[in-house]
Amino acid sequence: DTAVSQTPKYLVTQMGNDKSIKCEQNLGHDTMYWYKQDSKKFLKIMFSYNNKELIINETVPNRFSPKSPDKAHLNLHINSLELGDSAVYFCASSRREAATNEKLFFGSGTQLSVL
Amino acid sequence: GQNIDQPTEMTATEGAIVQINCTYQTSGFNGLFWYQQHAGEAPTFLSYNVLDGLEEKGRFSSFLSRSKGYSYLLLKELQMKDSASYLCAVRDPGGATNKLIFGTGTLLAVQP
Repeated sequence: DTAVSQTPKYLVTQMGNDKSIKCEQNLGHDTMYWYKQDSKKFLKIMFSYNNKELIINETVPNRFSPKSPDKAHLNLHINSLELGDSAVYFCASSRREAATNEKLFFGSGTQLSVL
Repeated sequence: GQNIDQPTEMTATEGAIVQINCTYQTSGFNGLFWYQQHAGEAPTFLSYNVLDGLEEKGRFSSFLSRSKGYSYLLLKELQMKDSASYLCAVRDPGGATNKLIFGTGTLLAVQP
């Protein structure tokens, strides 16, 4: 059983479209995250949720809207896609939000290509 | 701001030892992580350091010096499967959240 699963694995779409990426974790973790990895492999946090509550919101355009229906799910909706949104998006989870040594468990990533 | 530096690429030989360095400049310190990421896959946790010294875990060890803002990941008895990117990350010292700030990673190529 996959601990953190995200779908789809690949997403190819046209500029201006709206798309969603789904993420689910079966680890019983309280905290979930979205990270973006650009073409230079730089991994940067976008959002984190703790028990469905938004905790971290980095300076991400408001075209990106996360939604957490329950603590096991964190979806990412992107409106009006732009070329610069092309990247690999990773979902992750951890047991607790504020503990210092909590490691992240990552999903396998969604490679988004905007044409 | 926070800054993390790692070499972009390294090459090593199967069976050898390689040390991947990471230096960080942050306004405080709250823990440092190493992750391994194979091409096209998710990052996976390798190690965590919060106190100075060496943490050993099988073929992999991680060292931290907080006074120098420096860490390294040591890989022994290199295997071909160790070819991957190695990401250094520090926990954001600015708040109570589990926000990790990643370096750009070091791409390690292990050659026969």
